[in-house]
Amino acid sequence: GAGVSQSPSNKVTEKGKDVELRCDPISGHTALYWYRQSLGQGLEFLIYFQGNSAPDKSGLPSDRFSAERTGGSVSTLTIQRTQQEDSAVYLCASSLVLGRGGELFFGEGSRLTVL
Amino acid sequence: SQQGEEDPQALSIQEGENATMNCSYKTSINNLQWYRQNSGRGLVHLILIRSNEREKHSGRLRVTLDTSKKSSSLLITASRAADTASYFCATRRGGATNKLIFGTGTLLAVQP
Repeated sequence: GAGVSQSPSNKVTEKGKDVELRCDPISGHTALYWYRQSLGQGLEFLIYFQGNSAPDKSGLPSDRFSAERTGGSVSTLTIQRTQQEDSAVYLCASSLVLGRGGELFFGEGSRLTVL
Repeated sequence: SQQGEEDPQALSIQEGENATMNCSYKTSINNLQWYRQNSGRGLVHLILIRSNEREKHSGRLRVTLDTSKKSSSLLITASRAADTASYFCATRRGGATNKLIFGTGTLLAVQP
């Protein structure tokens, strides 16, 4: 597709359940980012993938959060044993790191609600 | 903690007026970017300014960067109701990391 695609757009789950959020970046983009945005707040960095390098996981808030990027393309963010404080919009972005200054192209986000 | 802090947190102006938003950051940077977010949507890139640049223009947008003060400003001239959105600065540090860290945002409301 032409842009970054995220699914699901909305997810309602019960506390304690696991959830998976998917991101399909723009074809050819080598960098992929996950951010979390709570209601009315700024973006909290979670994790960054760059090509075949080890991901920068420094923003993951706890070991319940993990992410992988298969084949340098699609990424999945997994949250295990969800808590109510995990409720937020999870935004994915991709970029061409070496071109055009590395501006990010964002998806529309996955809104997660933990009951 | 966030690298960037924008001020004001919220700004309300009349259509046709200029809007100025400021961003401060803490560490040395490679470049600074501004993004816009309409309510409930993803972010859209507006403009990038490199650490060796002091001013940049794009249409009705003017960005300045003062690396000695670790601050940047975004000016939107002749604002329109359609400019209503949240505006975020984001910094990319130098060195090995390409991580982009976002500020807390300014919510701009342009009254018609």
